[in-house]
Amino acid sequence: KAGVTQTPRYLIKTRGQQVTLSCSPISGHRSVSWYQQTPGQGLQFLFEYFSETQRNKGNFPGRFSGRQFSNSRSEMNVSTLELGDSALYLCASSLMTPVNNEQFFGPGTRLTVL
Amino acid sequence: KNQVEQSPQSLIILEGKNCTLQCNYTVSPFSNLRWYKQDTGRGPVSLTIMTFSENTKSNGRYTATLDADTKQSSLHITASQLSDSASYICVVSVLNYGGSQGNLIFGKGTKLSVKP
Repeated sequence: KAGVTQTPRYLIKTRGQQVTLSCSPISGHRSVSWYQQTPGQGLQFLFEYFSETQRNKGNFPGRFSGRQFSNSRSEMNVSTLELGDSALYLCASSLMTPVNNEQFFGPGTRLTVL
Repeated sequence: KNQVEQSPQSLIILEGKNCTLQCNYTVSPFSNLRWYKQDTGRGPVSLTIMTFSENTKSNGRYTATLDADTKQSSLHITASQLSDSASYICVVSVLNYGGSQGNLIFGKGTKLSVKP
């Protein structure tokens, strides 16, 4: 069974631009969560989608948004990029709720904002 | 406030030696505790998941213990290898019948370096 895939793996943008990251969960998984990871901060929860609905959201500004499609694939968008948005963005999928089910992480997208 | 604290922040050991990483949590009510291994620049990979009733769980050379009374967990690595060099993240799940994602509490991780 294929794992969680994320595209692109690396991205360089400039301040003010916007970016869209993509995540394909493990087949059959309906929950997709997004995280931002920066050095020293650990993983910070962005949001979770389940059956095309945002089920929960972390404490990030409205510039961060996401969506999930009927095939469970998910995208996240960051508008008006800032230097501080440079980070590793991780996507994780689980069968149902990630609280009671194992989460499987993708390899991440490394975003650099210049 | 629900928190997960890991120690040490970083650790350097020689290949072949054993080591123990610590995780203390103040999460309540508790559902389960997970340990992840994250290689640099990659996504975390699950090592173990333990529920309230489990005291010990092993995955190869990795053994996790859980003391739900003292709210402490440890990850013991036996006969370390160079490939064990990574960050190890402790994650505690808050019991929530609604199952919302906001109830996974992440530690900041311990960075382990295994030297030859």
